[in-house]
Amino acid sequence: DQQVKQNSPSLSVQEGRISILNCDYTNSMFDYFLWYKKYPAEGPTFLISISSIKDKNEDGRFTVFLNKSAKHLSLHIVPSQPGDSAVYFCAASKGGIVAYGNKLVFGAGTILRVKS
Amino acid sequence: DAGITQSPRHKVTETGTPVTLRCHQTENHRYMYWYRQDPGHGLRLIHYSYGVKDTDKGEVSDGYSVSRSKTEDFLLTLESATSSQTSVYFCAISSQIDSNQPQHFGDGTRLSIL
Repeated sequence: DQQVKQNSPSLSVQEGRISILNCDYTNSMFDYFLWYKKYPAEGPTFLISISSIKDKNEDGRFTVFLNKSAKHLSLHIVPSQPGDSAVYFCAASKGGIVAYGNKLVFGAGTILRVKS
Repeated sequence: DAGITQSPRHKVTETGTPVTLRCHQTENHRYMYWYRQDPGHGLRLIHYSYGVKDTDKGEVSDGYSVSRSKTEDFLLTLESATSSQTSVYFCAISSQIDSNQPQHFGDGTRLSIL
């Protein structure tokens, strides 16, 4: 039973256009969400995050939107560049002060290909 | 980049043999995690540590054990490897005292069990 779902295994976008990656979650206790980017043969790298008290967070070309009522978040990349081609993972956690560590639950990932 | 080193980077072994993967960090972070990545599943938490000698189970802990005798090292052991444990294993670290700190990952160990 996947608590975090990325229903699109892959996405192909033209360079310069917008990339939109989607993520749905089922656990209403999640209150912190992250996006990671992963290149082949490397570990995931943190991209952007959002707390459940917000509905939008922006960092340069990357914006994450959170719709709590729909239990849905999305990552927008504008403009898309060939170097953005990677696997993108959505992750979620239950927040607050966590003395015992913060366990992330990941989606299956979406492969983004940006064509030049 | 976070100072995380995973060793070995690649390993091929046979069913039934013991295997130990090492994660070494130079950041002096309190929290360390082991994940496995499999197609269709993303990353799943195996075990994690919230301090020296303090560890707990994650989502897919069966068949795995961990140890943390020093802040900088977190070991993952497969006591008797099975083919279902063929995967890519990632270590992560974080210094968080609240949830709003991301975990940072090593470059992974590709483990094949024949």
